[in-house]
Amino acid sequence: EAQVTQNPRYLITVTGKKLTVTCSQNMNHEYMSWYRQDPGLGLRQIYYSMNVEVTDKGDVPEGYKVSRKEKRNFPLILESPSPNQTSLYFCASSLGPGLNTEAFFGQGTRLTVV
Amino acid sequence: GENVEQHPSTLSVQEGDSAVIKCTYSDSASNYFPWYKQELGKRPQLIIDIRSNVGEKKDQRIAVTLNKTAKHFSLHITETQPEDSAVYFCAAWNSGNTPLVFGKGTRLSVIA
Repeated sequence: EAQVTQNPRYLITVTGKKLTVTCSQNMNHEYMSWYRQDPGLGLRQIYYSMNVEVTDKGDVPEGYKVSRKEKRNFPLILESPSPNQTSLYFCASSLGPGLNTEAFFGQGTRLTVV
Repeated sequence: GENVEQHPSTLSVQEGDSAVIKCTYSDSASNYFPWYKQELGKRPQLIIDIRSNVGEKKDQRIAVTLNKTAKHFSLHITETQPEDSAVYFCAAWNSGNTPLVFGKGTRLSVIA
C-alpha cells in the first residue's frame, strides 16, 4: 500500500531533550516536506527536499533540522526543543513539482514540549 | 516566493446550500492548484486539483475554477452535506524547484 509513515504519532518531551520524528515513504517520491499545523495558522512549511541530499528552508525553519540521505526517509530533528514547538507535525511526499502531482501526507505527530 | 491567500477563514452553511472558498496566488509561474480536505483529527487529503491549462474542473458536487489572469482560483461545493464539514486548504505549485505552498485554510461547517 502506498503510504507516508510518521513516527511517533504522539510525543511528550521536556525542554532541551533532543528528539527525532521519522518520516518514510514507499512511493519513490523525490519531493518531501515537513509542515507544522497550529490553530488559525494553517500548514506552515518547515523544510522541504527536492531530492536526495537537497534540502531547503521553508517559512519556519528555526529550531529544526532535516536530512535526506536516502530517497525514502526525511527525518525531522529538534536539537533542543522548546515549548513553542508544541504543535501537530505533518510529513508529505510527492513525485515532484515538475510533475505536479498529489502530495500524500503522513498521519501526523502531535508533539508536546513541557 | 509564492504566497497563497485563502478566504474566508470560517464558513457556515445550511445543509443543501452551496459553499465557495476563494484563493489568490502571487507567482504567475504557478501551474498546479490542488485542494485538500482535512477532517477532524485526520491528515489532509486531496479532493480535487486543476492545472493551468484548464479553466474549470468538476467531480460530482465539487468544482474548481481558475482565473490565471487574476491569479485566483475557487472551490465550489454544491448541495452540501454534514460530512462536508472539515477544514479545506488550497495550494499552489510551479514546475521549478519551489515548494508546494498552502493557504491558511477554511473551516467549513454544514448545519443540518
